[in-house]
Amino acid sequence: AQRVTQPEKLLSVFKGAPVELKCNYSYSGSPELFWYVQYSRQRLQLLLRHISRESIKGFTADLNKGETSFHLKKPFAQEEDSAMYYCALLETSGSRLTFGEGTQLTVNP
Amino acid sequence: KAGVTQTPRYLIKTRGQQVTLSCSPISGHRSVSWYQQTPGQGLQFLFEYFSETQRNKGNFPGRFSGRQFSNSRSEMNVSTLELGDSALYLCASSPGVTPGRETQYFGPGTRLLVL
Repeated sequence: AQRVTQPEKLLSVFKGAPVELKCNYSYSGSPELFWYVQYSRQRLQLLLRHISRESIKGFTADLNKGETSFHLKKPFAQEEDSAMYYCALLETSGSRLTFGEGTQLTVNP
Repeated sequence: KAGVTQTPRYLIKTRGQQVTLSCSPISGHRSVSWYQQTPGQGLQFLFEYFSETQRNKGNFPGRFSGRQFSNSRSEMNVSTLELGDSALYLCASSPGVTPGRETQYFGPGTRLLVL
C-alpha cells in the first residue's frame, strides 16, 4: 500500500533562514508526487509537482527515488510562507491522492 | 476559469440524520474526487467519479456514497450520521483524461459538525 510520511508536525524558522520540509514515501511503482499548501483560512492549493520541475514562490523539490524522498526546500524563508504543507502521492492507476500528515511551518520575523 | 465550488460551506446535523454535500468542478473537468479531513486521520480519499461512474473508492463504510451528474457536478451523501463523521469534506477536480498523471484542484470544503 502507498504511504507518505512527513516526520515533522511543526517546523519553526526565522525569516531569511533556509527551510526544508521532509517527505518520504513508499510506493511500488513510479510515483507522481505533489506538494500542496494551505494558508490560513484558504483552500488547499498546489505548490508544485515533481514532474514539472518548476520553482514556485522560491520552493523546489527533488524526487530521490533511491531514498524515496521528495523534500521541499527554500533557501530564504519569508513570513508569508507560514502555512500548512502537505506532501501527496498520486497512484498511477487512478486519482487517489495519499497525503502525509502535514507540516505546519512558522516563519518568525 | 472559476475554481471548484462546494455548497454548503457549513452544516450542523445530529446523529442518525443524513446529509448531502455538493461540488461543482472547474469547467471542463470531468473527474471529481472527495476527501475527508480530520485532525486525527488527516486527509483521506473517499471516492472518485468520472463520467457519472464511480471509478475509484477508498476505505469508508457504505454509509458514504456519491454520484455525478451529466454536467460533472457531484454530490456526496452520508447516511446515519455518527459523531465521528464530523470533518471537513473536500472535493477536487481534474480533467480525468489521464488518470495518475493529473493535478487535482481543491474546493474550499464543507465543514460538517455532527452533534
